[in-house]
Amino acid sequence: DVKVTQSSRYLVKRTGEKVFLECVQDMDHENMFWYRQDPGLGLRLIYFSYDVKMKEKGDIPEGYSVSREKKERFSLILESASTNQTSMYLCASREQGARNYQPQHFGDGTRLSIL
Amino acid sequence: KQEVTQIPAALSVPEGENLVLNCSFTDSAIYNLQWFRQDPGKGLTSLLLIQSSQREQTSGRLNASLDKSSGRSTLYIAASQPGDSATYLCAVRPFSGAGSYQLTFGKGTKLSVIP
Repeated sequence: DVKVTQSSRYLVKRTGEKVFLECVQDMDHENMFWYRQDPGLGLRLIYFSYDVKMKEKGDIPEGYSVSREKKERFSLILESASTNQTSMYLCASREQGARNYQPQHFGDGTRLSIL
Repeated sequence: KQEVTQIPAALSVPEGENLVLNCSFTDSAIYNLQWFRQDPGKGLTSLLLIQSSQREQTSGRLNASLDKSSGRSTLYIAASQPGDSATYLCAVRPFSGAGSYQLTFGKGTKLSVIP
């Protein structure tokens, strides 16, 4: 089975801090994704990476950056955390596949609170 | 822009009933549609993936159908159990362009199965 591991289940940080959320997958997947999930708004894509060192903005990239130095690891960075970034953050990965028909697999999420 | 709608937002049924969850999408140009389950405070678990060329997929008591031309999918759950209580999300993957890497999610149907 695919395993997507997020480094923290719960995280509390202060406004203005630089925050790192880490995600590791064990299936050699090319594509990785960061979403945030908020009540009433659903899941929204922040950034994705289709391969090592490659990144693309999703729907809501403002205030975030990402890093993908190794294939198995995709990091989300909050450059200067703000209270409106309090949310559930979900990482996902997917095999690229020859015909783009592969499912996304998700981690258990990190519930981040910014005080 | 693709929009995904799930109605109803919440559903409560007695144990043992068969039930149908609905998902509709506005643009029929999709690679596939994926159904997920989310337990409270947890990540997403992939249930079924239907390719655009398929009409249905089955896994145990779950059956998902896809009518691409009408922009609809249903998730049928047979003989519901209290353990099926969760939020069910559907997501579509667009067929082309930069957006073809990402999924567009509905906001989910929260299912409660009453013992």
